[in-house]
Amino acid sequence: KAGVTQTPRYLIKTRGQQVTLSCSPISGHRSVSWYQQTPGQGLQFLFEYFSETQRNKGNFPGRFSGRQFSNSRSEMNVSTLELGDSALYLCASRLAGVTDTQYFGPGTRLTVL
Amino acid sequence: GQQVMQIPQYQHVQEGEDFTTYCNSSTTLSNIQWYKQRPGGHPVFLIQLVKSGEVKKQKRLTFQFGEAKKNSSLHITATQTTDVGTYFCAGPNQAGTALIFGKGTTLSVSS
Repeated sequence: KAGVTQTPRYLIKTRGQQVTLSCSPISGHRSVSWYQQTPGQGLQFLFEYFSETQRNKGNFPGRFSGRQFSNSRSEMNVSTLELGDSALYLCASRLAGVTDTQYFGPGTRLTVL
Repeated sequence: GQQVMQIPQYQHVQEGEDFTTYCNSSTTLSNIQWYKQRPGGHPVFLIQLVKSGEVKKQKRLTFQFGEAKKNSSLHITATQTTDVGTYFCAGPNQAGTALIFGKGTTLSVSS
């Protein structure tokens, strides 16, 4: 079974731009979560989508948004990029519930200059 | 808000020594999960503990879930260089809809 895939793997943007990251979950998984990982803050939960609906949201500003499509693929968008948005963005999928094993993708490394 | 804390933040050991990382939650957890992230990699699921006082072993790794279901530990016996990485614990938030991760313990091993 193919794992979680994320595109692109690396991205360089400048302040003020916007960016869209993509995640394809494991086949059959309906839940997709997004995390931001930085050396200082660790793994921080952004939001989770389940069956095309945002089921839960972390404590991030509205510049961070996402969506999920009917095939469970998910996108995450960050508008008006700031230097502090430089991070590894990880997507994770699971079958459905929070007790299901969560599988992470390789991440997208975003650098904001 | 709900917090999951891990100590130590960093640990360096000589190959063959034992290693333990501790995880503490501010609230009772229905379950706790452990992940390992190798340098340059992404977190990989190791195990999930559900029962109070549960102990599970995976070869040289021993995982424990506290009696009060608020703390957990991961112990590695006789570390190897392949054990290098960051170990995260994670527990569900109170709504049971998202995982809250600890900041991880980064293990380095010298041979």
